[in-house]
Amino acid sequence: EAQVTQNPRYLITVTGKKLTVTCSQNMNHEYMSWYRQDPGLGLRQIYYSMNVEVTDKGDVPEGYKVSRKEKRNFPLILESPSPNQTSLYFCASSFSQGARAFFGQGTRLTVV
Amino acid sequence: QKEVEQNSGPLSVPEGAIASLNCTYSDRGSQSFFWYRQYSGKSPELIMFIYSNGDKEDGRFTAQLNKASQYVSLLIRDSQPSDSATYLCAVKSGSARQLTFGSGTQLTVLP
Repeated sequence: EAQVTQNPRYLITVTGKKLTVTCSQNMNHEYMSWYRQDPGLGLRQIYYSMNVEVTDKGDVPEGYKVSRKEKRNFPLILESPSPNQTSLYFCASSFSQGARAFFGQGTRLTVV
Repeated sequence: QKEVEQNSGPLSVPEGAIASLNCTYSDRGSQSFFWYRQYSGKSPELIMFIYSNGDKEDGRFTAQLNKASQYVSLLIRDSQPSDSATYLCAVKSGSARQLTFGSGTQLTVLP
């Protein structure tokens, strides 16, 4: 089954404690991206990757890091989480940039 | 001005009615238009997409593009309570190659 898998689904952490949210896709897509979704603000792109070892900032990259060492994986790293990063996060993949996006199940992150 | 704008709603329609959702975009060179449905707490799922060359109908759903006025519509005929969700519009603009999402319209279909 074609899918994008994120883990964990729910995470509560404390300010400053580094965390990683994993994302994996099995569709051999070249393009992957991370979004955060906040009430009234819709989906905002954090980072994207056009291929292995190629990443770039989206609209709201501050406080986040990503890596793309393998085509299927695109982890999101929060080196020092802060409460304003409390949000619902989605990983997405697509055949190419601007094409139909397939979304993971979402990760609800709470930073206290 | 936001690149992609949607009325946040909520939009309420009775069961069996036509629900009409609109999305305006700022880049006249936009090429592709997507409608996603998102149930509360779930991930967005694609329901329709159209290109700049025409409208599209798929079952109860119709996507229409008005290039002159720069908006795209989603019509849902014979609305069902199961259609109650937030509908996200996404646009691939001519300049920015990635998808830009609107903030979504919350639709409630009343039984």
